[in-house]
Amino acid sequence: DVKVTQSSRYLVKRTGEKVFLECVQDMDHENMFWYRQDPGLGLRLIYFSYDVKMKEKGDIPEGYSVSREKKERFSLILESASTNQTSMYLCASSLYISIQYFGAGTRLSVL
Amino acid sequence: AQRVTQPEKLLSVFKGAPVELKCNYSYSGSPELFWYVQYSRQRLQLLLRHISRESIKGFTADLNKGETSFHLKKPFAQEEDSAMYYCALSDSGAGSYQLTFGKGTKLSVIP
Repeated sequence: DVKVTQSSRYLVKRTGEKVFLECVQDMDHENMFWYRQDPGLGLRLIYFSYDVKMKEKGDIPEGYSVSREKKERFSLILESASTNQTSMYLCASSLYISIQYFGAGTRLSVL
Repeated sequence: AQRVTQPEKLLSVFKGAPVELKCNYSYSGSPELFWYVQYSRQRLQLLLRHISRESIKGFTADLNKGETSFHLKKPFAQEEDSAMYYCALSDSGAGSYQLTFGKGTKLSVIP
């Protein structure tokens, strides 16, 4: 069974903190993605990666960075968290086609 | 640039009534379209894709290139269909595997 695991379901951080969101997939997928999900705005792509050490900006990369040192792990980094980054963050992975498998999400609150 | 529009934020129907969730897209190439669903407290998952031309949980969707639409339909709504539905478009013709999501429609089936 396909599995995408996000390390935390809920996180509470303070403004200015550096935040790491971790995602691991066990399907040997090439592609991994980070989205944020906000009511009324749907899913917006932050960054994606199509190979180890490769990354591409999505639609809203500002304030975020990513790391993919191993094929199964894709990390989202908030260098200096701000209140407007309070959101639900979803990780996904896919093979060579566009069917993406999603994690359960991390709800981040920045105070 | 590709875009996916879901005109309804919220759709309420009675149990047993027909359901149609609207999705329109703008894309210059040959799109691949998907419907994703997120039930309460569950992760986002693929419901169906236009290439498969199959019915999943009684839902069907036909790609209409003339009207650039990919509406999701079900003849008789069930309470368990209540969920958030996202239409998505893939740019796979260009060799990319990103998905562009609509803003979502929340379907509420009234008992």
